[in-house]
Amino acid sequence: KNQVEQSPQSLIILEGKNCTLQCNYTVSPFSNLRWYKQDTGRGPVSLTIMTFSENTKSNGRYTATLDADTKQSSLHITASQLSDSASYICVVSARGNNRLAFGKGNQVVVIP
Amino acid sequence: GAVVSQHPSWVICKSGTSVKIECRSLDFQATTMFWYRQFPKQSLMLMATSNEGSKATYEQGVEKDKFLINHASLTLSTLTVTSAHPEDSSFYICSAPPSYNEQFFGPGTRLTVL
Repeated sequence: KNQVEQSPQSLIILEGKNCTLQCNYTVSPFSNLRWYKQDTGRGPVSLTIMTFSENTKSNGRYTATLDADTKQSSLHITASQLSDSASYICVVSARGNNRLAFGKGNQVVVIP
Repeated sequence: GAVVSQHPSWVICKSGTSVKIECRSLDFQATTMFWYRQFPKQSLMLMATSNEGSKATYEQGVEKDKFLINHASLTLSTLTVTSAHPEDSSFYICSAPPSYNEQFFGPGTRLTVL
């Protein structure tokens, strides 16, 4: 069973609308959680990184939340743009090593 | 910010040939780098951990004789796909940690084996 589960697998949204992506994890002991944006045919680019004590972090129109008690995170995209079309990957690392647990990604398509 | 580069960005080769992919950390030193493979609409799958000055550590199911890794310096790791076959066609991505709590990914290399 994957240690990081993301939902929805894919979604289509209208330009200008908001959307929220979900990430549930079972990685323990928890170190940090990162959200990456991966454009088609490109490597992942970091959006946010949160440690245990952080509940929310923003990067422009992207806002990530973390509930370490329920082991859930979300990524909220505000006023979506066509360039937001990409896969958004939730990555969780365990304390004590550099190994990463990857979600399968949320595939977002923004249409005009 | 920290930058990781890969070369080439894409390569097409004939079945049976070997292909070398380079991963460089441009503004920091990395004693450890990671190699991933990603199939369409799938997550990144860790293939191996590249260690400067010592042998790479391979994940279960990854053939070390087929995927040769050499961490030549603190800023360069190479992945050589030997005797490539069509099933090796994939997107190969490397990453390097500039610090304990961070990972930066390269832009990826698209390998197509005919």
